[in-house]
Amino acid sequence: RKEVEQDPGPFNVPEGATVAFNCTYSNSASQSFFWYRQDCRKEPKLLMSVYSSGNEDGRFTAQLNRASQYISLLIRDSKLSDSATYLCVVNRYNQGGKLIFGQGTELSVKP
Amino acid sequence: EAGVAQSPRYKIIEKRQSVAFWCNPISGHATLYWYQQILGQGPKLLIQFQNNGVVDDSQLPKDRFSAERLKGVDSTLKIQPAKLEDSAVYLCASSLTAGRSTRNEQFFGPGTRLTVL
Repeated sequence: RKEVEQDPGPFNVPEGATVAFNCTYSNSASQSFFWYRQDCRKEPKLLMSVYSSGNEDGRFTAQLNRASQYISLLIRDSKLSDSATYLCVVNRYNQGGKLIFGQGTELSVKP
Repeated sequence: EAGVAQSPRYKIIEKRQSVAFWCNPISGHATLYWYQQILGQGPKLLIQFQNNGVVDDSQLPKDRFSAERLKGVDSTLKIQPAKLEDSAVYLCASSLTAGRSTRNEQFFGPGTRLTVL
């Protein structure tokens, strides 16, 4: 079993749609959580950190459930520019800040 | 501020040949990481340096891969000899520090796309 698992993609949605990505992690020692965005043939970039209380950044909302070891990302009012692969990432401080990536979920927003 | 620099951007070699990748992290970043990203997968950490010391190389195939960061700044990753399954994008990342800190955000370079024929 992979340490971080994401919804298999791709997700194809129309502009304006709301889309949700799910992610589970297997190691309860994981201590911090992130969503990264990776455009086609580009490097990953940090989209947002994920906190237990939930956090929002504009159209993006991230949630963490430590008891269920589950992370989610919600995108409201999808834009064409949101088309990318979204990577769920966990981090364990006692391993020197090592990031463990999920396989990514591809999102394609259509006009 | 300049980002993480990598070269070359693309490399095509035949199996059993050798190849080397270079990374220049963001100035002042003590921690440097090399990741391998195979098509359709997320990046996988190969090796992590803190200054010029290795913190984690548990997933580095040491029979063929090697990496160094001699002066705690630039780093090189070498594959010798290459196999077909080494075809991937090799990403370098750096952070100010590592561990429990808001300064541990990792910034990635553009990557080197390696094709082994």
